[in-house]
Amino acid sequence: SQQGEEDPQALSIQEGENATMNCSYKTSINNLQWYRQNSGRGLVHLILIRSNEREKHSGRLRVTLDTSKKSSSLLITASRAADTASYFCATDGAGNYGQNFVFGPGTRLSVLP
Amino acid sequence: EAGVAQSPRYKIIEKRQSVAFWCNPISGHATLYWYQQILGQGPKLLIQFQNNGVVDDSQLPKDRFSAERLKGVDSTLKIQPAKLEDSAVYLCASSFLMAGELFFGEGSRLTVL
Repeated sequence: SQQGEEDPQALSIQEGENATMNCSYKTSINNLQWYRQNSGRGLVHLILIRSNEREKHSGRLRVTLDTSKKSSSLLITASRAADTASYFCATDGAGNYGQNFVFGPGTRLSVLP
Repeated sequence: EAGVAQSPRYKIIEKRQSVAFWCNPISGHATLYWYQQILGQGPKLLIQFQNNGVVDDSQLPKDRFSAERLKGVDSTLKIQPAKLEDSAVYLCASSFLMAGELFFGEGSRLTVL
């Protein structure tokens, strides 16, 4: 299984601080995506990074991908209380293009005002 | 643009009863996914459709779960008979491209008593 595994499971920070979450996976991938889920809601796509990319930015988000280590990180800069949510990485396996996006267990981020 | 619509939002049933969930994806999205999310865990893929054909149903408990996507648009997921461990949120997602961003509905929360 190429399931991603987020780390840490839970993270609590003060507003204005940066939050870093990591994702590790087991097999080669085509792309990796990060999603956010507010309590009781569906998941919202944040960013997609392809296997031939190393870094992508979107607003306050920065994602890196290290295919040699089979890992990715999501950095949220200058966090806000509204960033409180669970964050998931999802991968599709190389050779199974676009199939069977597998989500990890998530990182629960709490941003304290 | 309308998002992914799901119904019902909440359902409570007794074990051994049956239940059906409905999903209407974003117009033009050929790929449709059903995920099961147990409290505190990441979403687990149950079935993936490309138009009205099944791409992956390897994790669908076929003895009790069934899903269809008639005419390649709306989809229904049925559980019959339900077990206690089926208590979860059932998320529907769609995407325009096979390996692109997934758009999620708000989910259908099932409680089996």
